[in-house]
Amino acid sequence: AQSVSQHNHHVILSEAASLELGCNYSYGGTVNLFWYVQYPGQHLQLLLKYFSGDPLVKGIKGFEAEFIKSKFSFNLRKPSVQWSDTAEYFCAVGAYNTDKLIFGTGTRLQVFP
Amino acid sequence: DGGITQSPKYLFRKEGQNVTLSCEQNLNHDAMYWYRQDPGQGLRLIYYSQIVNDFQKGDIAEGYSVSREKKESFPLTVTSAQKNPTAFYLCASSPFLAGANVLTFGAGSRLTVL
Repeated sequence: AQSVSQHNHHVILSEAASLELGCNYSYGGTVNLFWYVQYPGQHLQLLLKYFSGDPLVKGIKGFEAEFIKSKFSFNLRKPSVQWSDTAEYFCAVGAYNTDKLIFGTGTRLQVFP
Repeated sequence: DGGITQSPKYLFRKEGQNVTLSCEQNLNHDAMYWYRQDPGQGLRLIYYSQIVNDFQKGDIAEGYSVSREKKESFPLTVTSAQKNPTAFYLCASSPFLAGANVLTFGAGSRLTVL
């Protein structure tokens, strides 16, 4: 069965610090990978996605993620965080051409000015 | 604007009562989903539907029921059999095949059992 692990449950950073949130999944076949973000009081929304091609994908607000197939990882990065990045971040994995998306447990990011 | 509308936003229920959460979408999406969000547990799939009059159980379907009589609507009933119903419930939709498509989420419904 598919599973998704996010090892960082709560991350606290100062503005301008660099961010990397880990995401590992377990599934032997082709996968589609997603990061979703939930800002305080807002809908859960897509941050970025990987379906195929260049394993380094760029999303909104300066975020990027790298798919490393050999490590079953899809870590999220941002070189310099802002206070407005305070949110909860969810990694999600969908097996290719299936109708289910499996989410990780989420990482709560707090950025202080 | 196209989107997903969930109602009510907040709901309080006494133990032993069934409650129904509404989810309506005007995106013309085929697939609809219900997730439950609990602190530290992420989103867990309750039920999903790819087409009208058909739906499948997710990972935590016990104590819940759904219907899909119209493409736009996918209500979730939390029954008295659900042992820990207090949670934040999210409805989502996608054109088809959530594993290969982006989900659009509603604002959520927070259910509290008194």
